[in-house]
Amino acid sequence: QVQLQQSGPGQVKPSQTLSLTCAISGDSVSSNSAAWNWMRQSPSRGLEWLGRTYYRSKWYSDYAVSVKTRITINPDTSKNQFSLQLNSVTPEDTAVYYCASWRVQSEAFDIWGQGTMVTVSS
Amino acid sequence: QSALTQPASVSGSPGQSITIPCTGTSSDVGGYNYVSWYQQYPGKAPKLLIYEVSHRPSGVSNRFSGSKSGNTAYLTISGLQAEDEADYFCNSHASSDTLVVFGGGTTLTVL
Repeated sequence: QVQLQQSGPGQVKPSQTLSLTCAISGDSVSSNSAAWNWMRQSPSRGLEWLGRTYYRSKWYSDYAVSVKTRITINPDTSKNQFSLQLNSVTPEDTAVYYCASWRVQSEAFDIWGQGTMVTVSS
Repeated sequence: QSALTQPASVSGSPGQSITIPCTGTSSDVGGYNYVSWYQQYPGKAPKLLIYEVSHRPSGVSNRFSGSKSGNTAYLTISGLQAEDEADYFCNSHASSDTLVVFGGGTTLTVL
């Protein structure tokens, strides 16, 4: 059974970098039939997809246009996890952040992490 | 503002059926059979209910069903139960730079 466990700080200062990690158990970050995603949810923006990383003979990453200039999602094969870095954060980046797996077989987000509330405040 | 449009709230009595629409465009809902639906309880992560418009993952009750017509997808919950009271989100693959879009979510109240 696949499980995703998120970790990272719950508070970040404005202009700094938000960093979260999602550890995978029961599957491999290098799976050819999955993609590893980050989403966030806030009352003002709703549920918003941020980006993904996936392996298809080589590594790929895709990002939402809204954060494309500030975001990096990286796999870590040695620890079987993936990470989110969001630079130059503002209070508008305050949200609950989720990692989630996406499957080729279902074209859907089948497993979600527990969520991390991140507050951007000085 | 979310890319897919859902009503903010719906309600129904136990035993009744309700349908939640999710309206997009030909660039997302209407252009692909990759619509999924998620159930979310307060303070919890979303849970996959329906994928590829109408397919249920193993373990999801057959009281949940999905369909699509044109640019609108639908989630129907039959035989409403108190435990169905939650938020429901739709999601679709999208073309070009967008890739993934969500609906704004619908809060279901079981009266």
